[in-house]
Amino acid sequence: EAQVTQNPRYLITVTGKKLTVTCSQNMNHEYMSWYRQDPGLGLRQIYYSMNVEVTDKGDVPEGYKVSRKEKRNFPLILESPSPNQTSLYFCASKGLAAYRGEQFFGPGTRLTVL
Amino acid sequence: AQTVTQSQPEMSVQEAETVTLSCTYDTSESDYYLFWYKQPPSRQMILVIRQEAYKQQNATENRFSVNFQKAAKSFSLKISDSQLGDAAMYFCAYRSARSGGSNYKLTFGKGTLLTVNP
Repeated sequence: EAQVTQNPRYLITVTGKKLTVTCSQNMNHEYMSWYRQDPGLGLRQIYYSMNVEVTDKGDVPEGYKVSRKEKRNFPLILESPSPNQTSLYFCASKGLAAYRGEQFFGPGTRLTVL
Repeated sequence: AQTVTQSQPEMSVQEAETVTLSCTYDTSESDYYLFWYKQPPSRQMILVIRQEAYKQQNATENRFSVNFQKAAKSFSLKISDSQLGDAAMYFCAYRSARSGGSNYKLTFGKGTLLTVNP
């Protein structure tokens, strides 16, 4: 089954404690991306990656890092989380040959930073 | 930069009735994609329908259809014969049709929460 998986699905942490949210896709997609969803703001892009070792900032990259060492994985790293990073996070992927533009979303990760 | 506006934070509809959710967008591009995503309480983002800007015909998927007005930059979603399972947050989204990294970004509206009353 084609899917994007994220772990963990729920996480409660404290300010300053480094954490990683993993994202993995099994569709051999080149493009992967992270979004955060906040009430009244919709979804906003954090980072994206066009392929292995190719990453770039989205609209709200401050406080986040990413890496793309393997094609299937695109982890989101919060080195020193702060309460304003409490949010719902989505990973998405897209094959670049998919001309119709559809992106596949993961199930979301609910992060709370105390 | 592109923007997407959903002017209705909340809407409600009676079961079996029809409801229309509004979306407007701003862009200087001539070729792009528009989407409606559904987010039920499970929080999963589910693609409902897509429209390619170069196509004049409005997209339809079963009970879901759009009214795409390119000149007016309007993209509304009509849900016919509403069902209890349609209750969700609905997001309108825009994506450029250009290739290249930043162009694959989806720009979302703030969402419309749809309630379906039995």
